[in-house]
Amino acid sequence: EVQLLESGGGLVQPGGSLRLSCAGSGIILNNYAMSWVRQGPGKGLEWVSSVHSGGSYSDYADSVRGRFTHSRDNSKNTLFLQMNGLRAEDTAIYYCAKVVAGLYFDIWGQGTLVSVSS
Amino acid sequence: SYELTQPPSVSVSPGQTARITCSADALPKQLVHWYQQKAGQAPVVVIYKDSQRPSGIPERFSGSSSGTTVTLTISGVQPEDEADYYCQSADSSGTYVFGTGTKVTVL
Repeated sequence: EVQLLESGGGLVQPGGSLRLSCAGSGIILNNYAMSWVRQGPGKGLEWVSSVHSGGSYSDYADSVRGRFTHSRDNSKNTLFLQMNGLRAEDTAIYYCAKVVAGLYFDIWGQGTLVSVSS
Repeated sequence: SYELTQPPSVSVSPGQTARITCSADALPKQLVHWYQQKAGQAPVVVIYKDSQRPSGIPERFSGSSSGTTVTLTISGVQPEDEADYYCQSADSSGTYVFGTGTKVTVL
């Protein structure tokens, strides 16, 4: 069974940093484009970022560009999202998701909660 | 930027048909995909590429497209279909946009 497992969320002060992880099980993450999608409390889904297969290219939403960065550890089959300069509006559940053909997301993790507050 | 608009809520009695629309604000309309999100859970894709149903999704879920509006239809709604539903598309710049979301209440 293919699974994605996020971790690394927590409570951080404004301006702080967190690194989220997305570990793959039953799937080699480096072979696929992957995305992060977030959902603020009581809000809808918001695409955050995508990294192409092989990690050669990333796209970011305007709201996080310049503050969030992807990386991969292929030996651990894990994708990372480094989040710097966190703001209150970044508070959300962050999901990693597998991208199909650059179109939609067919596999989602269970999410990890990021809270930005003083 | 590309925007997708959905009605905030739809209410339906068990066994009836629920229709959820997703309207794009620009042409050309991109392919639309639909997700079901139950309370406290991650989203699950129920329709992709406007009208394709993934394996394991009940046949009562279907999708259609006309002009700049795409519709998710749930025929013979079951109590377990109560959830939030989101449409989603990929715009021409390689980014992704979600609709505003529709809460389906089964009366």
